[in-house]
Amino acid sequence: QVQLVEFGGGLVKPGGSLRLSCAASGFTFSDYYMTWIRQAPGKGLEWVSYISGSATTTHYADSVKGRFAISRDNAKNSLYLQMNSLRGEDTAVYYCAKVVPHQAGYYDVWGQGTTVTVSS
Amino acid sequence: DIQMTQSPSILAASVGDRVTITCRASQSVSGWLAWYQMKPGKAPILLISKASNLESGVPSRFSGSGSGTEFTLTISSLQPDDFATYCCQQYSVYSPTFGQGTRVDIK
Repeated sequence: QVQLVEFGGGLVKPGGSLRLSCAASGFTFSDYYMTWIRQAPGKGLEWVSYISGSATTTHYADSVKGRFAISRDNAKNSLYLQMNSLRGEDTAVYYCAKVVPHQAGYYDVWGQGTTVTVSS
Repeated sequence: DIQMTQSPSILAASVGDRVTITCRASQSVSGWLAWYQMKPGKAPILLISKASNLESGVPSRFSGSGSGTEFTLTISSLQPDDFATYCCQQYSVYSPTFGQGTRVDIK
């Protein structure tokens, strides 16, 4: 069964850091681009970052560039998002998703999300 | 970035109703559009890709159409499990962008 499970969310103060993890199962993880997408309260979905299967290519939304870092460990079937210099506007549910690489990509498997709250 | 606008934002309907949700792009995305179903606390589900391609395992009451800048998602006969939020996404160009979502409520 293809599955993604995120964890690592929580409450963090502005300026703080948090590392999200996503455990993958049921598919050959290293074959696929993976992505992080978030949804702030009352807002629509926002693409955050992607990483290639070999981890040689990464890309970030302007809103997180320089503060967030995506990585993966294919031996552990795991995806990560290191979030630094967190701001209130980073408060959101964060989803990891498997990318179908057509054009800019769409997402055929998602996790259930993990909640990040940035507040003092 | 390409802006995606959905209408309506909220829709109240009854079981058995035909429901149509519209998604408009600020510029042409050709047919590079996906639809997702979202429920609180659950993993979003991919319903449709390439504007009209129904994903495996998705009930045939769901259908998508459109190209260029205007797209629709139709549920031919609303079922109890379909009360959810539906979201479109363009993947024509980077950055991929999403509509704000349409919540389908029970009337």
